[in-house]
Amino acid sequence: IAGITQAPTSQILAAGRRMTLRCTQDMRHNAMYWYRQDLGLGLRLIHYSNTAGTTGKGEVPDGYSVSRANTDDFPLTLASAVPSQTSVYFCASSLTGDGNSPLHFGNGTRLTVT
Amino acid sequence: GQNIDQPTEMTATEGAIVQINCTYQTSGFNGLFWYQQHAGEAPTFLSYNVLDGLEEKGRFSSFLSRSKGYSYLLLKELQMKDSASYLCAAMDSNYQLIWGAGTKLIIKP
Repeated sequence: IAGITQAPTSQILAAGRRMTLRCTQDMRHNAMYWYRQDLGLGLRLIHYSNTAGTTGKGEVPDGYSVSRANTDDFPLTLASAVPSQTSVYFCASSLTGDGNSPLHFGNGTRLTVT
Repeated sequence: GQNIDQPTEMTATEGAIVQINCTYQTSGFNGLFWYQQHAGEAPTFLSYNVLDGLEEKGRFSSFLSRSKGYSYLLLKELQMKDSASYLCAAMDSNYQLIWGAGTKLIIKP
């Protein structure tokens, strides 16, 4: 593994189902983030974690939850998927959460909720 | 509210120069980032400006004017591989990034 790995690459999910998007980084970055990217909109922050054991809500947190049990992993869970959650999801990390280091992004998960 | 504006799409010719503009309105300001995103791929970091002026990095340069809430990304000697979306993001007083929708740059031979 080098950098950030997201899984799955893509998924089609029935509405109402539960889904966890996985994200793992091997750069020992303290901060991690989940964004969604929709056509015509900027990246929108869902949840973030500035260090292991802590999480925070971003701009669009409703319907999503995260956990940060260790430095490397930051899974995103959709408890009961809805069609409006159809999007491309990017996990990202940065060395620090104070804005002084750039974001490194995973390759994304393309999720379609039907 | 907080807002980032950048053109939706631009077209330029291989070998030429193109300037992509970005204006921002944020609650406080802690820097301006530019990222490149090829179609179907992840964004990758290009530049960071926190002080006024021009930062040059090879063929790419980024400019910031804090008083005008304005930045631009300048790409010189355009190559076909520069065809991508360019994302502008401003960091507010809480160190949260506010992202523009991106500028799709099309390079023609």
